[in-house]
Amino acid sequence: QVQLQESGPGLVKPSETLSLTCTVSGGSISSSTYYWGWIRQPPGKGLEWIASIHYSGNTYYNSSLKSRLAISVDTSKNQLSLKLNSVTAADTAVYYCARGTSAWYECRFDPWGQGTLVTVSS
Amino acid sequence: DIQMTQSPPSLSASVGDRVTITCRASQGISSWLAWYQRKPGKAPKLLIYAASSLQSGVPSRFSGSGYGTDFTLTISSLQPEDVATYYCQQANSFPLTFGGGTKVEI
Repeated sequence: QVQLQESGPGLVKPSETLSLTCTVSGGSISSSTYYWGWIRQPPGKGLEWIASIHYSGNTYYNSSLKSRLAISVDTSKNQLSLKLNSVTAADTAVYYCARGTSAWYECRFDPWGQGTLVTVSS
Repeated sequence: DIQMTQSPPSLSASVGDRVTITCRASQGISSWLAWYQRKPGKAPKLLIYAASSLQSGVPSRFSGSGYGTDFTLTISSLQPEDVATYYCQQANSFPLTFGGGTKVEI
């Protein structure tokens, strides 16, 4: 079955760029059926959808983060990536990648990665 | 953005109890609601989609209902392995939004 695994630095300094990779195994990221999403959860807060991308390049961003955000897909490596620049302590969160059934309308996420904690601190 | 409000934030129940979690949307979302279960240190798991459709492989003691703004997730007979935090998510309007979670304990 499809599995997702997030990876990246666990500590990022304020004002720097947070970079994460999600490796997909057991299935192709180039499937036309699915979108691939990033979701985060700050400590003590709820889940926040960040963005979703199709392997074709169609991308949907949460407007609250759009100006600082870039996501991409590397089909040769079966990976998706997230870059969030100018980070602050408010970006400290567990970051998840997940497979979505669509860009947003009627979208549900399954499966998810286990998540990776990123702390923004000097 | 559509706000998703879950209640209660936490609950404690006994094995075998019927447990109900509520999710309310700030505006109508038709039936485009999903429920997830997250256990500590594990990946969130999809339980219910389109408000009442059971995801493949999910035990039948889980069920969902609702339409418009009010939705419920019901565990008909709580089991020890159901200890987790449960989240709702709307997929009717951009951007996707989640509820704050309900922590279920025994």
